[in-house]
Amino acid sequence: ELKVEQNPLFLSMQEGKNYTIYCNYSTTSDRLYWYRQDPGKSLESLFVLLSNGAVKQEGRLMASLDTKARLSTLHITAAVHDLSATYFCAVDIGYGGATNKLIFGTGTLLAVQP
Amino acid sequence: GAGVSQTPSNKVTEKGKYVELRCDPISGHTALYWYRQSLGQGPEFLIYFQGTGAADDSGLPNDRFFAVRPEGSVSTLKIQRTERGDSAVYLCASSSEAGGTEAFFGQGTRLTVV
Repeated sequence: ELKVEQNPLFLSMQEGKNYTIYCNYSTTSDRLYWYRQDPGKSLESLFVLLSNGAVKQEGRLMASLDTKARLSTLHITAAVHDLSATYFCAVDIGYGGATNKLIFGTGTLLAVQP
Repeated sequence: GAGVSQTPSNKVTEKGKYVELRCDPISGHTALYWYRQSLGQGPEFLIYFQGTGAADDSGLPNDRFFAVRPEGSVSTLKIQRTERGDSAVYLCASSSEAGGTEAFFGQGTRLTVV
């Protein structure tokens, strides 16, 4: 069964602290996405990771991909309240290469407390 | 606007009724995707189109669900004999080609079956 598992499912953190969200997946894929979703809103693409060892950074967020371990991480540095949202990882499972046919994780609800 | 547009934003229907959900992709995008997001879950793949044809409909839950994209632009997701379990947010996304670039999501249609 294809699975994408995130942990933790809920993360309450204080402003200024660092933390990491983990995304494990059960199938071979060379393409992994991280999305942000605010309540009642759609999905905003944060990162696309295309190869083993890929690392991308934007502001206080940094994502990495280890395709051999089937693991991606989203690291948050010095969290601020504006980062409060639900974060999803998603794996492209399309046959024959990248297709944007995605399996999503269950999401991590991040609440940054002042 | 330049984004993916979905209408209606909210739809309430009675059990057993037929509904149509519309998606206008970003102009020029050839690939179009439908996902369904239940409360507290990640989006679940339903179907994707490359041009006018359904390239992969393996995510449609049963034969009550059908989608079309007759001119390769606007798509309609059709649900017959709606059930309460169909209640969810239906998300549409488009990309310039299937998997060639990231997919951009619309705001979704919240379907409630009463």
